Amino acid sequence: QVQLVESGGGVVQPGGSLRLSCAASGFTFSSYGMHWVRQAPGKGLEWVAFIRYDGSNKYYADSVKGRFTISRDNSKNTLYLQMNSLRAEDTAVFYCAKDPPPYSGSWGLYDYWGQGTLVTVSS
Amino acid sequence: DIQMTQSPSSLSASVGDRVTITCRASQGISNNLAWFQQKPGKVPKLLIYATSTLQSGVPSRFSGSGSGTDFTLTISSLQPEDVATYYCQKYNSAPLKFGQGTKVEIK
Repeated sequence: QVQLVESGGGVVQPGGSLRLSCAASGFTFSSYGMHWVRQAPGKGLEWVAFIRYDGSNKYYADSVKGRFTISRDNSKNTLYLQMNSLRAEDTAVFYCAKDPPPYSGSWGLYDYWGQGTLVTVSS
Repeated sequence: DIQMTQSPSSLSASVGDRVTITCRASQGISNNLAWFQQKPGKVPKLLIYATSTLQSGVPSRFSGSGSGTDFTLTISSLQPEDVATYYCQKYNSAPLKFGQGTKVEIK
């Protein structure tokens, strides 16, 4: 069965950095695009970033462009999100989510989600 | 960027009531519209995609309709287990966008 397990969340000061990880299992990780989606406490869902199955294409929300970097290591079945210059408004639960098969015509239609990891940006 | 606007932001209805949630896109998105359900403290769950296709295992009391810019999620007979926040989402084009959510409660 598909499993996505996020880690790396915690408390960080404004301007600081943090790297999130998402360990994937139960599917051929190297064949699927992956996303990060976040949810601020008591707020709605916000897509953050996407990386193609082979890492060749990456897309970001305007709110994180230039500060966050998505990457993956297919040999370790792991997705990453490097977050720099963190702001209070980045405080959220960060979820990794799996994309449907490439060329399925359903890019961004997340079919599996992890349980999330909480990032708190506070002094 | 295309914006997604849901209404209402919250609603309270009785068990057995028919509930309708609306989602409007600021530009046409064809049928690239999904609905997610998020129960308190849980991960979002895909209910409907391609505007009206029910995800496997989702009860038939849920249905979706619409096209272009205006979309609707309907719960034909509200059940206690349907208490949740519902989000519409446009997909297949960047940036991916969610509506702001509709919180459904039992009266």
